[in-house]
Amino acid sequence: GDSVTQMEGPVTLSEEAFLTINCTYTATGYPSLFWYVQYPGEGLQLLLKATKADDKGSNKGFEATYRKETTSFHLEKGSVQVSDSAVYFCALSERSGGYNKLIFGAGTRLAVHP
Amino acid sequence: EAQVTQNPRYLITVTGKKLTVTCSQNMNHEYMSWYRQDPGLGLRQIYYSMNVEVTDKGDVPEGYKVSRKEKRNFPLILESPSPNQTSLYFCASGPGRMNYEQYFGPGTRLTVT
Repeated sequence: GDSVTQMEGPVTLSEEAFLTINCTYTATGYPSLFWYVQYPGEGLQLLLKATKADDKGSNKGFEATYRKETTSFHLEKGSVQVSDSAVYFCALSERSGGYNKLIFGAGTRLAVHP
Repeated sequence: EAQVTQNPRYLITVTGKKLTVTCSQNMNHEYMSWYRQDPGLGLRQIYYSMNVEVTDKGDVPEGYKVSRKEKRNFPLILESPSPNQTSLYFCASGPGRMNYEQYFGPGTRLTVT
């Protein structure tokens, strides 16, 4: 079946550093790709998405580009803040039984210190 | 405010004592789902529902039951909890089959001793 692999954490950065969290996927079709973020004590919320190859999703200074040739969807941010400390999940949508099912990676914890 | 609510947020129980975790959404979403989150495993789907009275198994359904008698509610039932069901549980809802975005509840941390 389809799967998502993301880099293990934790990732620890200083404020204003550049962030990259790697995500690669395996899929038989042409899935949509997502990044979800989970702040401490909260549920997941959608950060950004891309629905076809070469699309770039962006939100709150984060970006990710759907790369079909490398089956990747790496998350980047040019200058992180302490408030970005959270767990980030890469996910894809898989067609299953008439609906789109989300398949999640294991999550990457990001800690940003002042 | 559009939201998914879960109760309780924290629960400690003993092996074999039946429990129910409630989930409710106010967005009129057709799709609802339960996940469990475990370290290093990400989120795994337990059960999902495409509409009222329509439910189906996810990837890890063993030991769980669900029901969907009303569109807004999707309770998760553990008939006889065991310690391996200690986990963080999330309910989610989404607006239908082209289900690109799901809205998550705040989570229920369950400990079974």
